[in-house]
Amino acid sequence: RKEVEQDPGPFNVPEGATVAFNCTYSNSASQSFFWYRQDCRKEPKLLMSVYSSGNEDGRFTAQLNRASQYISLLIRDSKLSDSATYLCVPAAILTGGGNKLTFGTGTQLKVEL
Amino acid sequence: ETGVTQTPRHLVMGMTNKKSLKCEQHLGHNAMYWYKQSAKKPLELMFVYNFKEQTENNSVPSRFSPECPNSSHLFLHLHTLQPEDSALYLCASSQDAGTGELFFGEGSRLTVL
Repeated sequence: RKEVEQDPGPFNVPEGATVAFNCTYSNSASQSFFWYRQDCRKEPKLLMSVYSSGNEDGRFTAQLNRASQYISLLIRDSKLSDSATYLCVPAAILTGGGNKLTFGTGTQLKVEL
Repeated sequence: ETGVTQTPRHLVMGMTNKKSLKCEQHLGHNAMYWYKQSAKKPLELMFVYNFKEQTENNSVPSRFSPECPNSSHLFLHLHTLQPEDSALYLCASSQDAGTGELFFGEGSRLTVL
């Protein structure tokens, strides 16, 4: 079983649509959770952290269900600039310091006119 | 503009060559990372350093040899690589163990002939 499972997509949606991505992770020792965004041929960048109570950042809403080991991302009112690959990332703190982030393969989003 | 700089951006080498990838971070972070990104695969963690000490080696073959002389610099020494080692090698840094926000460089694209 993969450590992080995501639907690779692509999700092709019109501008203004609402789209949801899901992710499951296998390591129950994961302590922190994130969504990263990666544009084509660019490095990944942090989109938002994911908290157990759910959290929102503008048009983006993230949810975490620790019992089911499930993370979600909802994007409302999609913009063309949202087109990218969205990476689900559970993380654990290493004993000696630093973080062990485990990346999913990502879900590709294409927002169209 | 990224605070993490990687050189070279592109590298072509034969299987018998010895080369090195360099990473420098200007963010005052304590932890540095090497990740490998191959086509159609998730980012794979290779090594983690925290305050110059290695805290994670993710079962990486010995033909990859990391070096971290200080918290701002990280090297990946390459020797007798295989064609399947061709990939994008991404360096990242983070402030501490808790945030999970990694700042990535733009990557070094390696081709092994």
